[in-house]
Amino acid sequence: AQKITQTQPGMFVQEKEAVTLDCTYDTSDPSYGLFWYKQPSSGEMIFLIYQGSYDQQNATEGRYSLNFQKARKSANLVISASQLGDSAMYFCAMRELTSYGKLTFGQGTILTVHP
Amino acid sequence: GAVVSQHPSRVICKSGTSVKIECRSLDFQATTMFWYRQFPKQSLMLMATSNEGSKATYEQGVEKDKFLINHASLTLSTLTVTSAHPEDSSFYICSAKQAGGGETQYFGPGTRLLVL
Repeated sequence: AQKITQTQPGMFVQEKEAVTLDCTYDTSDPSYGLFWYKQPSSGEMIFLIYQGSYDQQNATEGRYSLNFQKARKSANLVISASQLGDSAMYFCAMRELTSYGKLTFGQGTILTVHP
Repeated sequence: GAVVSQHPSRVICKSGTSVKIECRSLDFQATTMFWYRQFPKQSLMLMATSNEGSKATYEQGVEKDKFLINHASLTLSTLTVTSAHPEDSSFYICSAKQAGGGETQYFGPGTRLLVL
């Protein structure tokens, strides 16, 4: 079974609009962490935001926020006020307690921001 | 934020030769580094976990003798693709976890390998 599922292969958004990228996860570990990374066409992986399983509040970092719904096992990324430079591949990833720090990545979502 | 570099950024080699890729944490010490492989428009697949001063832990299906990993210091890990073949052509990317704290893995810019 997939540990991390991103069901949107591609998403389109108008500049200055908000967009939500979906991510669901599957784990039986009581402690885990969820990450979002951005990968532009250059290939580098840029860390965006982190949410710990015991964090009470949803994580926010500037225009990025993570909509963490533990019961539903979802960790959607919300990008507010989209910019043209946000066009990239976005990966959701999970680190489980028993994984010794290893990350498991989802399939990715290609986001295209239109002017 | 923490910076990780990779060298070279691109390499083209002949089939049968070996290629070494370096991963360095520039402004922090990394007891653990990870090596990933990524095919075009696909996700990152973990190849191995590299711990400073000890043998790397390889994921299932990754050939240890093919992909040699050395983590000689707290700031450097190397991946050597031995006797490279065209099917080894891929994007190789490393990440580093800061010693002593933090959940975040910081990624290098990646190395594009093309084997002719």
